[in-house]
Amino acid sequence: QKEVEQDPGPLSVPEGAIVSLNCTYSNSAFQYFMWYRQYSRKGPELLMYTYSSGNKEDGRFTAQVDKSSKYISLFIRDSQPSDSATYLCAMSAYFGNTDKLIFGTGTRLQVFP
Amino acid sequence: NAGVTQTPKFQVLKTGQSMTLQCAQDMNHEYMSWYRQDPGMGLRLIHYSVGAGITDQGEVPNGYNVSRSTTEDFPLRLLSAAPSQTSVYFCASNLQGASEQYFGPGTRLTVT
Repeated sequence: QKEVEQDPGPLSVPEGAIVSLNCTYSNSAFQYFMWYRQYSRKGPELLMYTYSSGNKEDGRFTAQVDKSSKYISLFIRDSQPSDSATYLCAMSAYFGNTDKLIFGTGTRLQVFP
Repeated sequence: NAGVTQTPKFQVLKTGQSMTLQCAQDMNHEYMSWYRQDPGMGLRLIHYSVGAGITDQGEVPNGYNVSRSTTEDFPLRLLSAAPSQTSVYFCASNLQGASEQYFGPGTRLTVT
């Protein structure tokens, strides 16, 4: 079983839709949760970074963490064609004297006009 | 700031050839990492460094070497290229321990 599971998609939605992207994880030691956006042929760029359970909002994006269920989500409101990209979840923890950062495999999102 | 830069953008190698992928950052980050990204596999850590002179292996280190002589640079060396090393390689950097990583644009490597 992978430590982080993410549905690869693709997910295709019309412009203006609310998008929900999700990841589950198995290691309860993970403390930091991130969402990266990766456009085609580009490097991943950080979208959201959260530490605690609950919601964090940034413009049209909301990151949600449920540590009890080991489940994180990214919601995109009023989705735009420019949101078409692959979204990777990532999570990290300290283990002894090292950090461990694990990425999901990414969900490809396409928003059509 | 240029952020994280990588060269070359594309490279084709024959099996058995060696080469070095360059990575540099101008953010004075202590941590630097190399990942490879393959379809369905996500980002997998090859090697990382927590500071100049200190490197360690990640999840898939075989066939790769790294060194870190300066804070800014973290080159990745392929010793004897194999078709299984065909991938997109990303370099990333971050401040000590924070895990919020900044990625370079990637190098697309094909080994024939």
